[in-house]
This record gives sequence, structure tokens and C-alpha cells, in this order.
Amino acid sequence: NAGVTQTPKFRVLKTGQSMTLLCAQDMNHEYMYWYRQDPGMGLRLIHYSVGEGTTAKGEVPDGYNVSRLKKQNFLLGLESAAPSQTSVYFCASSYSTSGHTDTQYFGPGTRLTVL
Amino acid sequence: GQSLEQPSEVTAVEGAIVQINCTYQTSGFYGLSWYQQHDGGAPTFLSYNALDGLEETGRFSSFLSRSDSYGYLLLQELQMKDSASYFCAVIGSGGYQKVTFGTGTKLQVIP
Repeated sequence: NAGVTQTPKFRVLKTGQSMTLLCAQDMNHEYMYWYRQDPGMGLRLIHYSVGEGTTAKGEVPDGYNVSRLKKQNFLLGLESAAPSQTSVYFCASSYSTSGHTDTQYFGPGTRLTVL
Repeated sequence: GQSLEQPSEVTAVEGAIVQINCTYQTSGFYGLSWYQQHDGGAPTFLSYNALDGLEETGRFSSFLSRSDSYGYLLLQELQMKDSASYFCAVIGSGGYQKVTFGTGTKLQVIP
């Protein structure tokens, strides 16, 4: 099993450009998440999904959109990138469907720089 | 809402014991988790407390006291490879599983 994979690993964008980050998991997990991590700060939840075809806003959703067309994939889109979106983006997945905890498995991260 | 506070940095000697504290304010949660993250790496799960008390996993233990809104991670027999950032996280009870992370504690283990 590959676990959680993310593509790309690195990307540099110019202000106003768009891009999509892809997250894939092969563990048949129901829940998937997108976080951003900035220096000196913890992980902040951008959007999450509790199942195929469903998405919800997290703590910092502005400027991002997501889609979960297939259970194994969770896409994060930036329609018009801004320098404030320079960050490391982590995708995670977990099994639980009951609302109780389950271990979150993280991907390796995508380092995005917006000039 | 939920907020979690951790010390920003902790330094400890190889072979010693270190405790990383986490205090929280939350309207309701299922449990407290701990994650480890090495520089440039992804967070990895360490432990979870659903109930008050101590959970032990090898050299790592985690404690939760809901009445005190407090938890901690205890690392014993410190090794150089334990140098990393450690995050506490609460799993919210607001319907869907939403996780809120603390700002993290950077642990430096010195010889």
C-alpha cells in the first residue's frame, strides 16, 4: 500500500495563476482532509470530506475549492493564487465514519510558493 | 470553537524524560491526540486519549484530564531521533470528525 500520496511535491506559481493539488489514498478511508502549515503555526484545516461526493469548509477555506468525485481522491484547487497562499499543504485521510476519532494518515506534503 | 496551547520549544538531554503540555479550550470533543513531525516531514500519529488517564505506548505516554482541560505527552529515555515537533489535537464532537491542532512544540534533544 502506498498510503497517502500527493502530487506535486513542489510548485512555484505567479500571482493569479491557478493550480490543482491531488491527494490519493489506497486505504479505503471515508474521511479526507486538506491542511496548510505555515512557519510557527500548527496545521490549519482548509476543507474536508466525509465521503465521496461531499465536502465541507474547515477553518481557512477562502481562496480554495475542493472536490471528491472518487472516494480515493481529494483535489484542492487554487483558482487565483496569492502570495498569502505560500505554504506547505498536507492531505490526510482517516477511516472513521462515526464522528469518533481515528488515526489520521498524512501525505508527504506539497510545498507551494506564490510569487 | 476550539483552541489549544503548547509551549513553543523544549530542550532536553538524551536519556532523560520530558513532558510536553497541552491546555485547551473547547466546547466539546471526543478525545486528544498527539502527532510527531520531523523537519521537512509529514505528521505521524503517536497516541490518543479518549478517556481521562494515562495511555502508554512504548517510550511514549499520553495523559488527559478533562476536568482540568489539560493533557500531556511524556517521552522517556529520550533519543536524538526524538528531536521533532509535537502537536496535540482535539477531535471535535460537532457532528463530523473535525480535528483542531495546537501550534506545536519543537523538542530539541541534546547530548
